[in-house]
Amino acid sequence: AQSVTQPDIHITVSEGASLELRCNYSYGATPYLFWYVQSPGQGLQLLLKYFSGDTLVQGIKGFEAEFKRSQSSFNLRKPSVHWSDAAEYFCAVGGPSDYKLSFGAGTTVTVRA
Amino acid sequence: DAGVTQSPTHLIKTRGQQVTLRCSPKSGHDTVSWYQQALGQGPQFIFQYYEEEERQRGNFPDRFSGHQFPNYSSELNVNALLLGDSALYLCASSLSGQAGFAGNTIYFGEGSWLTVV
Repeated sequence: AQSVTQPDIHITVSEGASLELRCNYSYGATPYLFWYVQSPGQGLQLLLKYFSGDTLVQGIKGFEAEFKRSQSSFNLRKPSVHWSDAAEYFCAVGGPSDYKLSFGAGTTVTVRA
Repeated sequence: DAGVTQSPTHLIKTRGQQVTLRCSPKSGHDTVSWYQQALGQGPQFIFQYYEEEERQRGNFPDRFSGHQFPNYSSELNVNALLLGDSALYLCASSLSGQAGFAGNTIYFGEGSWLTVV
C-alpha cells in the first residue's frame, strides 16, 4: 500500500532563514512525487513534481526538492523564506499506473519576523 | 484560462440530510477526482471519474456517490450526512493518459467547505 509520512507537524522559521520539510514515502513501484501548498481557506497549489530524471527538482516560489530513492525521501527546501511562505505543505505520492494521490498529514509552517 | 471551479464554497447541513457538490474541471481536462480533507489532515481520495464512469474508489462508504457529465463536469453526492462528514471537499482535474497519471499534472480547486450540524 502506498503512504506518505511527514514527520514534522509544525515548523517555525525566521524570515530569511532556510527551510527544509521532510517527506518519506512508501510505494511499490516507481513513484511520482509531489509537493503542494495550501494557504488558509484555500485549495492546493502545486509547488513541484518529480516523475523521472534529475533527482533535484525546481519548483515555483523558489522551492526545490530532492528525490532520494535509497532513503524513500522527497524533502522540500527553500534557501530563504518569506513571510508569505507561511502555509500548510503536503507531500503526495502516486504512480504511472495509479489514479489517485496519497497525501501526508501535512506540515504547518509559521514564519516569524 | 479558468482553473478548476467548485460550488458552493461553503454550506451547512443537518445530520441525515443529503448534499450535492459541483465541479467544473480545468479547460481541456477530461478526468475529475474528489478528495475529502478533514480539519488538520491531508486530503483523502474518494473517487475518480473518467468518460462518465467511476474508475477508482477510495475507502469511502456507498453514501458517497458521484457523476460525470458529457462536458466533463462532475458532482459529488453524500447521503445521510454524519457529523464526521464535515470537511473540505476538493475537486481535482487532469488530462488522462491510457493508464494512471501518465505524467499529467493534477490541478485542484479551492474546495467546498461542508459543515454538518
